[in-house]
Amino acid sequence: DAMVIQNPRYQVTQFGKPVTLSCSQTLNHNVMYWYQQKSSQAPKLLFHYYDKDFNNEADTPDNFQSRRPNTSFCFLDIRSPGLGDAAMYLCATSRDRENASYNEQFFGPGTRLTVL
Amino acid sequence: GIQVEQSPPDLILQEGANSTLRCNFSDSVNNLQWFHQNPWGQLINLFYIPSGTKQNGRLSATTVATERYSLLYISSSQTTDSGVYFCAVEPDFNKFYFGSGTKLNVKP
Repeated sequence: DAMVIQNPRYQVTQFGKPVTLSCSQTLNHNVMYWYQQKSSQAPKLLFHYYDKDFNNEADTPDNFQSRRPNTSFCFLDIRSPGLGDAAMYLCATSRDRENASYNEQFFGPGTRLTVL
Repeated sequence: GIQVEQSPPDLILQEGANSTLRCNFSDSVNNLQWFHQNPWGQLINLFYIPSGTKQNGRLSATTVATERYSLLYISSSQTTDSGVYFCAVEPDFNKFYFGSGTKLNVKP
């Protein structure tokens, strides 16, 4: 089955120690997204890639970076995690509107990040 | 930026009851989706519904884009329907914004 995969499902890091979360997809979608979801809150868009074009949300801290080496993979790098960065990180994909008549998002299972 | 409001924030139902969840948005959108987030955090797609009405089993949804709202109907609720329901809108291409969610608890 085509899907969005996130690894690891649970990640523990130390305050200030860089961490990388990964996402892969078998849907061959153009667009990949990263969201942050804190406890009892809605998912918040951090940034997205349209193919290789990176699009940052205006209020995403510089501490968060992303890489997309190819269509299938996308990484979220947190350069110096703080206690406030503990959250669920969700990856999603979609086709874009230019290539499809609809732009439905599909989500991976998420990575829950703990910062000690 | 666009405002997305969901109501009610919390809902407790007895198994078998029906319910209506609402999503209001403050600007025109290209796309609207409804999701169910299960206890493990996975977002499950329910409906892609930028306009019109769709049905899938006990669930149906209606979006009135000109009036900037969408409704999710759950009929004959089951305990497995418990969780958080989110609507997400796309006001600009490839930019999605979520409402604050409705937390549903269905009691046996």
